[in-house]
Amino acid sequence: DAKTTQPNSMESNEEEPVHLPCNHSTISGTDYIHWYRQLPSQGPEYVIHGLTSNVNNRMASLAIAEDRKSSTLILHRATLRDAAVYYCILSRHQTGANNLFFGTGTRLTVIP
Amino acid sequence: EAQVTQNPRYLITVTGKKLTVTCSQNMNHEYMSWYRQDPGLGLRQIYYSMNVEVTDKGDVPEGYKVSRKEKRNFPLILESPSPNQTSLYFCASSRFTDYEQYFGPGTRLTVT
Repeated sequence: DAKTTQPNSMESNEEEPVHLPCNHSTISGTDYIHWYRQLPSQGPEYVIHGLTSNVNNRMASLAIAEDRKSSTLILHRATLRDAAVYYCILSRHQTGANNLFFGTGTRLTVIP
Repeated sequence: EAQVTQNPRYLITVTGKKLTVTCSQNMNHEYMSWYRQDPGLGLRQIYYSMNVEVTDKGDVPEGYKVSRKEKRNFPLILESPSPNQTSLYFCASSRFTDYEQYFGPGTRLTVT
């Protein structure tokens, strides 16, 4: 399975935008890009996913490079509640397994 | 409320004493899976199930068993727990054709 590379940690000021990068240079044409986050003492929660085009939802935006070898999760205004570990994950959805390889993610610290 | 529940939330046991961690979802999801989370290793999938009576190994299945007799339940069984199975365990579910997995609150298991 294709793997992703993320920085171990990042910091952001409250109410500032945050750009969380992810490299996935071995991505295949059928791999979906997923982002999950894990708040302290909780299970992971879905944030967003995409295949080729940029995606927006109420939580975040996902910007996907044209060659799909990298992507960026954008939180438009960081709040203290956004402090979490963010995981960038690839999955081949057509396998039907929803098998997500989480890796170690990026720990986001939000500074008041 | 749509949710995934796990019981117990905390468990301390001794080596070799069989235990079961229950997982239940009320969303009629076909797909369910178990993950373990260890410091520095992220979340790793143990077993998954694509529907009733259909289960398969994930990345770290050794020492675990699962069953899927009903759609809503997916228990994780440790026949003879060992200290290296001390971990934080998460159950997750999703619709087979969906991209979003829902995670339970986690079960912290300590094997002495």
